[in-house]
Amino acid sequence: KNEVEQSPQNLTAQEGEFITINCSYSVGISALHWLQQHPGGGIVSLFMLSSGKKKHGRLIATINIQEKHSSLHITASHPRDSAVYICAVRALTGNQFYFGTGTSLTVIP
Amino acid sequence: NAGVTQTPKFRVLKTGQSMTLLCAQDMNHEYMYWYRQDPGMGLRLIHYSVGEGTTAKGEVPDGYNVSRLKKQNFLLGLESAAPSQTSVYFCASREPNEKLFFGSGTQLSVL
Repeated sequence: KNEVEQSPQNLTAQEGEFITINCSYSVGISALHWLQQHPGGGIVSLFMLSSGKKKHGRLIATINIQEKHSSLHITASHPRDSAVYICAVRALTGNQFYFGTGTSLTVIP
Repeated sequence: NAGVTQTPKFRVLKTGQSMTLLCAQDMNHEYMYWYRQDPGMGLRLIHYSVGEGTTAKGEVPDGYNVSRLKKQNFLLGLESAAPSQTSVYFCASREPNEKLFFGSGTQLSVL
């Protein structure tokens, strides 16, 4: 049983396209995180959110607590956006996180 | 301010050998975590700590031990390595209600 499901698993886009990655979760949460992992690289936290919407440059993250769903949008995608994007939730109880399996994004010039 | 530093970055072990992975953070974070990342699976929690001198088991603790003698360091030990422990290991730290900071990872192969 996966507490966090992401879609799609793989995504290929042309440079400049608008991209959406979805995350659904089944547990009560205190916060949701979007992470970015470049090939062979470490993991960087992009957003932490518990309600509404956050924006950082070309990246936008939204969350709907009632529907237990979050989306990560990338506007005007660029080849440097190519990475694996991971959704993670921090459960309401305890100190543990649950992670999705990631969405592998490739942006073609 | 280096953030979270993991050593070593790569290691190859023979079955039955032991080793220790070191995680160090300079952000004075209370919470520290050890995860493993395997193909097709999300990050899985091995052990975690909510403060100096405390540790707790995560989802996949068997075959691993940890220690948090100093607040800034969280050590992960493999007493007798097995091929099933071939994985990429990540350390992370955070403050309550704050985002996670990850180390750069340790690629471990057990032959």
